[in-house]
Amino acid sequence: DTGVSQDPRHKITKRGQNVTFRCDPISEHNRLYWYRQTLGQGPEFLTYFQNEAQLEKSRLLSDRFSAERPKGSFSTLEIQRTEQGDSAMYLCASSLLGDTYGYTFGSGTRLTVV
Amino acid sequence: GESVGLHLPTLSVQEGDNSIINCAYSNSASDYFIWYKQESGKGPQFIIDIRSNMDKRQGQRVTVLLNKTVKHLSLQIAATQPGDSAVYFCAELRGNKLVFGAGTILRVKS
Repeated sequence: DTGVSQDPRHKITKRGQNVTFRCDPISEHNRLYWYRQTLGQGPEFLTYFQNEAQLEKSRLLSDRFSAERPKGSFSTLEIQRTEQGDSAMYLCASSLLGDTYGYTFGSGTRLTVV
Repeated sequence: GESVGLHLPTLSVQEGDNSIINCAYSNSASDYFIWYKQESGKGPQFIIDIRSNMDKRQGQRVTVLLNKTVKHLSLQIAATQPGDSAVYFCAELRGNKLVFGAGTILRVKS
C-alpha cells in the first residue's frame, strides 16, 4: 500500500461547472476525512466517514458539496456549480478508529475555478 | 471561536542551527496536540504528538514542549537541515477532527 491516493492532482474548471474528486485511503483504514486548505492557511475539516457512514459534516460543507463512500473504501467529493471561492486544495486523510497516530493525509487535489 | 494559532509566520535559520516554532491555543480543555510538516505540493506529514498529561516529548531531532499554564506549544528542531524547509502546523484533536493553526514557514539557509 502506498498511502492515501487522490485523483486528480490538479483540476481547473470554469465557474458553474461540477467537479468530482476521488480519494483512495490506506486499505485497512476504516475512517476517511476530507479537509479543505486555502493558501497560507491550515487545513479545515469538511466531513468524515466511518466505513460507509458519513458521521459528521462541517458547516463549511454547503449544499453544493456532497461526499460519498459507498462501499466503505474509496470516497468521492463532488462540488456542484463551482464558485471562485471554492478554489483550494482538497485533502483526504484516513485512519483506523482510535488510532490518531496513523492519521495519514494524501497529497491533495488542487482546484482552480476560473 | 476558539482556535489554534501561530506567533511567527516565517522563520529563517542557518543550516545546523536549532529551530523553534511556537503555537498558542485557546481551548484549555484540549488534551492532544500534533505537529505536522507540509512540503510544497504535498499533504501534511505527522512529525510528533503530545498529550496534555505530558510537558515534553522527544523524537528524532524534534522535541515538542507543552506549557498548559500559558496554553503554549512549541516544536524544536535540532541541527536544522535544508530538508526541514517546509510549512509547519500545530493541530489540536477535537473529537474526531483536527483543528489546525495558520502555519509557520521554515526556511533553512545553507
